Amino acid sequence: GQNIDQPTEMTATEGAIVQINCTYQTSGFNGLFWYQQHAGEAPTFLSYNVLDGLEEKGRFSSFLSRSKGYSYLLLKELQMKDSASYLCAVMDSNYQLIWGAGTKLIIKP
Amino acid sequence: IAGITQAPTSQILAAGRRMTLRCTQDMRHNAMYWYRQDLGLGLRLIHYSNTAGTTGKGEVPDGYSVSRANTDDFPLTLASAVPSQTSVYFCASSDSGLAGGNEQFFGPGTRLTVL
Repeated sequence: GQNIDQPTEMTATEGAIVQINCTYQTSGFNGLFWYQQHAGEAPTFLSYNVLDGLEEKGRFSSFLSRSKGYSYLLLKELQMKDSASYLCAVMDSNYQLIWGAGTKLIIKP
Repeated sequence: IAGITQAPTSQILAAGRRMTLRCTQDMRHNAMYWYRQDLGLGLRLIHYSNTAGTTGKGEVPDGYSVSRANTDDFPLTLASAVPSQTSVYFCASSDSGLAGGNEQFFGPGTRLTVL
């Protein structure tokens, strides 16, 4: 079966750094996506990794290791507006996205 | 219109009733998707369409049907609603459904309650 695992909830302090992990087992691999979803809103795209390594985009970075079936999203200089759920999704061999349940990130002052 | 719109925003429906959720995009994207999102679960794909005139079944298609008569519109119909279909429904689109790297853009969602 196909499976995406990520922690249910994490707490971090404003100004700090947090790493959200995602492990996956899927039928084929055509890339891994991270989305941000604020409560009551739609998911919005953050990053895409298809090759091993780190992709940096401002305060957000995403890492991928295909051999380990592992990714992480790194958020630096945390702001209160970063309080949201972060969704990991893998595109399988049929180009369909398989989604994790999401990690709710709580930022404390 | 900018992006993807969905209607209605929310709806309370009696079990057994028929309901159509509407989705329209103005980005000329080829691919469109319907997901449901339930607490504690990831987004689950109901149906998808890689191009106008074609549709396919996702992970949880039972009880739902779709059509794709043109590029812009992708309605989702519940023929006879049941309480287990209570959920938040998101419509999404992407430039291509058959290529990697194409991010999906999401509509604002429809919150549906079936009593």
